[in-house]
Amino acid sequence: GAVVSQHPSWVICKSGTSVKIECRSLDFQATTMFWYRQFPKQSLMLMATSNEGSKATYEQGVEKDKFLINHASLTLSTLTVTSAHPEDSSFYICSSSRSPPGLAGFSYEQYFGPGTRLTVT
Amino acid sequence: KNQVEQSPQSLIILEGKNCTLQCNYTVSPFSNLRWYKQDTGRGPVSLTIMTFSENTKSNGRYTATLDADTKQSSLHITASQLSDSASYICVVSARGSGGGADGLTFGKGTHLIIQP
Repeated sequence: GAVVSQHPSWVICKSGTSVKIECRSLDFQATTMFWYRQFPKQSLMLMATSNEGSKATYEQGVEKDKFLINHASLTLSTLTVTSAHPEDSSFYICSSSRSPPGLAGFSYEQYFGPGTRLTVT
Repeated sequence: KNQVEQSPQSLIILEGKNCTLQCNYTVSPFSNLRWYKQDTGRGPVSLTIMTFSENTKSNGRYTATLDADTKQSSLHITASQLSDSASYICVVSARGSGGGADGLTFGKGTHLIIQP
């Protein structure tokens, strides 16, 4: 399967600071990448869809000014948690999907990154 | 509303034993169903993807079944190993979503513990 990496794998920061998480698609170009948040014993919750070269699409209830997403290239998307607070402590996971050509409407495999554990103190 | 329900919520079995995890869904129109294994503190890893026409698919000791009529799927693990301890997540994709993550509905997962 495709490889998606995240960096850092874990980070501890103080309340009020900003943290940047990188997501890289290592072996294919991803025009679209996704960011999820997962609280303990909960399912993955989609935060936003990151589109290369354009603004991200945020899910309802996700503050776009707090969770800044940049998709600078076809292999890199970043999520910056600005002015982090303890309630932002969570497991953040990115994913990318490869698009087989000519298969409109086909739902593609999602390749997930290993996740980043954020703890805000 | 699209929903995916998994059972049991958690399960403890002895090493070497078999187990079956269940997934019921109401996603429509259905495109495919995926089972993921998520180790603690890691991202999900795909085990199987099943489309409407597939009833059974195996991946080593993992065998997934799909009944599209009753909208049920199961994941059977044979001869369990300690490394099988993880959360198993059922994800159902809606047709026409174009691959977008908003077309995916995640179950809450079954937390499986294998004891020696």
